[in-house]
Amino acid sequence: GAVVSQHPSRVICKSGTSVKIECRSLDFQATTMFWYRQFPKKSLMLMATSNEGSKATYEQGVEKDKFLINHASLTLSTLTVTSAHPEDSSFYICSASVGSYNEQFFGPGTRLTVL
Amino acid sequence: QKEVEQNSGPLSVPEGAIASLNCTYSDRVSQSFFWYRQYSGKSPELIMSIYSNGDKEDGRFTAQLNKASQYVSLLIRDSQPSDSATYLCAVSFGNEKLTFGTGTRLTIIP
Repeated sequence: GAVVSQHPSRVICKSGTSVKIECRSLDFQATTMFWYRQFPKKSLMLMATSNEGSKATYEQGVEKDKFLINHASLTLSTLTVTSAHPEDSSFYICSASVGSYNEQFFGPGTRLTVL
Repeated sequence: QKEVEQNSGPLSVPEGAIASLNCTYSDRVSQSFFWYRQYSGKSPELIMSIYSNGDKEDGRFTAQLNKASQYVSLLIRDSQPSDSATYLCAVSFGNEKLTFGTGTRLTIIP
């Protein structure tokens, strides 16, 4: 299957700081990438759909000014959590869509802890 | 609203037996169906994709799709302790997004 990487895998930051998470497709070009958030023992929650060269589409209830998404190339999308607060602590996972049947391959995830 | 439903479990299966995981979905327009495995603390891993009615086999895994009944299942033969995980059913309802079920937690008992 297609390989997706994420960096960093774990980050701890102070409240009020901004954190950038990178998502890369390593062996294919991803026109569309997705950002999810998952709280402990809960299901995946789609935050936004990221398309190369255009603005991201955010799901209802997700603040676009707080979660900035940039999809600058066909292999890189970034999520920036701005002015992070403890309630933003979560497991953030990106995925990339491949093929006409919309298979999604996930990155390993980034665990964010805001103190 | 397009929905995907799974039994949350936990489902306990003896080692070596067949584990059967079920998923129903709400919309007949659905095109693509996926099973993901997620170990605790890890991200989901795609293990099966199925697009047409019938069975699809890959090693110990068999996916079954019945579009008339809006039902997709995953069978795991010769279950191993390493199969213990949460299994997520996902459906593409005609666009790029996937709608996930809440997952079924599977435990294989040695």
